Amino acid sequence: GAGVSQTPSNKVTEKGKYVELRCDPISGHTALYWYRQSLGQGPEFLIYFQGTGAADDSGLPNDRFFAVRPEGSVSTLKIQRTERGDSAVYLCASSLGTGPGELFFGEGSRLTVL
Amino acid sequence: KQEVTQIPAALSVPEGENLVLNCSFTDSAIYNLQWFRQDPGKGLTSLLLIQSSQREQTSGRLNASLDKSSGRSTLYIAASQPGDSATYLCAVSGSGNTGKLIFGQGTTLQVKP
Repeated sequence: GAGVSQTPSNKVTEKGKYVELRCDPISGHTALYWYRQSLGQGPEFLIYFQGTGAADDSGLPNDRFFAVRPEGSVSTLKIQRTERGDSAVYLCASSLGTGPGELFFGEGSRLTVL
Repeated sequence: KQEVTQIPAALSVPEGENLVLNCSFTDSAIYNLQWFRQDPGKGLTSLLLIQSSQREQTSGRLNASLDKSSGRSTLYIAASQPGDSATYLCAVSGSGNTGKLIFGQGTTLQVKP
């Protein structure tokens, strides 16, 4: 596609439920990133994929958070046993190759945990 | 641990004014620095990327400078317009071989007609 696509754009769930957020990166981009942005804050790094593998998952806050990218394209961020503190906008970004380069962001998935 | 700070947090200016947004970072061992724009409820749009070996980048009315040794970057916006109203974020990429970015909290700019 022309840009990074994220679905759903909005998700409201109840505390304790399981949530999946999907990211479809720009075609041909090998690097994919997940960030989380709370209101009034800058995005915080969660995890980085190079191809199918998670090259850096140091930003995942705890083991309730998990992400996959099985075919090196689409990625899914999975959150188990959601908590109210998980409410935020989850942003996905992709870039062309290995190493630091220009990142292209999607519009985000806004998660609200009631 | 790298920390990025942006000052001011908010700024309101009349249309036509030239303005400067500031970004500072604590660890000078960066690979590059990016400035982004974020409109309310939207994702981030990359404005300028400065490699660590560069001193500045320009795009239209925007000019970003980088002084790595002092841990500072500025974003200069010339002849501001109401359409420039948005939140501006700076982010640094560490020296490792990854695009992991550390963001500042952003400066929210309002340009009044």
